[in-house]
Amino acid sequence: DAGITQSPRYKITETGRQVTLMCHQTWSHSYMFWYRQDLGHGLRLIYYSAAADITDKGEVPDGYVVSRSKTENFPLTLESATRSQTSVYFCASRTWGSGTEAFFGQGTRLTVV
Amino acid sequence: TQLLEQSPQFLSIQEGENLTVYCNSSSVFSSLQWYRQEPGEGPVLLVTVVTGGEVKKLKRLTFQFGDARKDSSLHITAAQPGDTGLYLCAPQGAQKLVFGQGTRLTINP
Repeated sequence: DAGITQSPRYKITETGRQVTLMCHQTWSHSYMFWYRQDLGHGLRLIYYSAAADITDKGEVPDGYVVSRSKTENFPLTLESATRSQTSVYFCASRTWGSGTEAFFGQGTRLTVV
Repeated sequence: TQLLEQSPQFLSIQEGENLTVYCNSSSVFSSLQWYRQEPGEGPVLLVTVVTGGEVKKLKRLTFQFGDARKDSSLHITAAQPGDTGLYLCAPQGAQKLVFGQGTRLTINP
């Protein structure tokens, strides 16, 4: 299916465990982004990528790791999950150029217990 | 780092009323986007404004970009329950896509 998909949709994990959230887009968009959204709040940028093998920190990168070996995939890893990382995570992509539309996945609801 | 402020943070009004929400910054933007996020969904683009003073209409929604390109407003006429959601502004011009904290709008029937 065309579009941007995130997996899993829901995840419960224990404190200290490593967790990887997946994001896949079929448009070959240059840019991909990871956000977290805490209850009742807006979106905060964790990491972004301008192209394969190019990643950069956003507003709240601590505790997260990303990679982008292929244009279509942008996984987000929590190396040692903490309760403060309980949140809804959104992935987005857009093509190159200022003012282009960003397309978002459906989100992954992560609970760290 | 540019500081984006959206106001109000929360707004709850009755169906049929008019409202305006704001997005302000001390920085100049090359362009600015408004997104709406409905509960349980990812944000969806509503509009991109590019030129200072520009006004764009999307049915009952009117978007304005400030003359100095530092601020924007969204006016909704005769609000409907379907307008309920989180309204987010995002300046363009940089590689990264950063949002304001949003205005959470609730339209009560």
